[in-house]
Amino acid sequence: GAVVSQHPSWVICKSGTSVKIECRSLDFQATTMFWYRQFPKQSLMLMATSNEGSKATYEQGVEKDKFLINHASLTLSTLTVTSAHPEDSSFYICSARDGRIAKNIQYFGAGTRLSVL
Amino acid sequence: DQQVKQNSPSLSVQEGRISILNCDYTNSMFDYFLWYKKYPAEGPTFLISISSIKDKNEDGRFTVFLNKSAKHLSLHIVPSQPGDSAVYFCAASDGAAGNKLTFGGGTRVLVKP
Repeated sequence: GAVVSQHPSWVICKSGTSVKIECRSLDFQATTMFWYRQFPKQSLMLMATSNEGSKATYEQGVEKDKFLINHASLTLSTLTVTSAHPEDSSFYICSARDGRIAKNIQYFGAGTRLSVL
Repeated sequence: DQQVKQNSPSLSVQEGRISILNCDYTNSMFDYFLWYKKYPAEGPTFLISISSIKDKNEDGRFTVFLNKSAKHLSLHIVPSQPGDSAVYFCAASDGAAGNKLTFGGGTRVLVKP
């Protein structure tokens, strides 16, 4: 199956700093990538849809200035948590859709655990 | 408003027996359904999917059944193995709405040796 790499897997930062998370599709081109957030013992909540070469589409309630998304190439999308605060601590997961296949299957990265002190 | 629900938060099954996971949805526009398996601190792994034009799809030990009239799908794992112990999420998408996935709350499966 398609491979999605997400980096870093774990980051600890001080309150007020910014953190960048990378999501790469390794063996396919992804015109669309997705960013999710998961709180402990809860489901995955879609934050935004990242489209290559255009602006991301954010879900209701997600601050676009807080969570900056860049999808500059067909294999890379980045999520930057700006001026992070303890309430931003969470598990962030990206996914990518393989545009070569008609089926709407998203392949997920391993996730990034963000801890803001 | 939860459009995809997994009403059983957990399931315990003996090794070698069948695991049946259930999922209900409310949005009649959903036309594609998927099951993912997730270990702690890892991303979900795709297991199996089904289109709304079918009522069954099988892949090895995994079979997904779809009942459109009841807006219900289920995942059967047989025989269950200890390595199947994980959280299973069902997800649904509406092709006309940008292919976003809506996830259920997950079911934690424990397969006892």
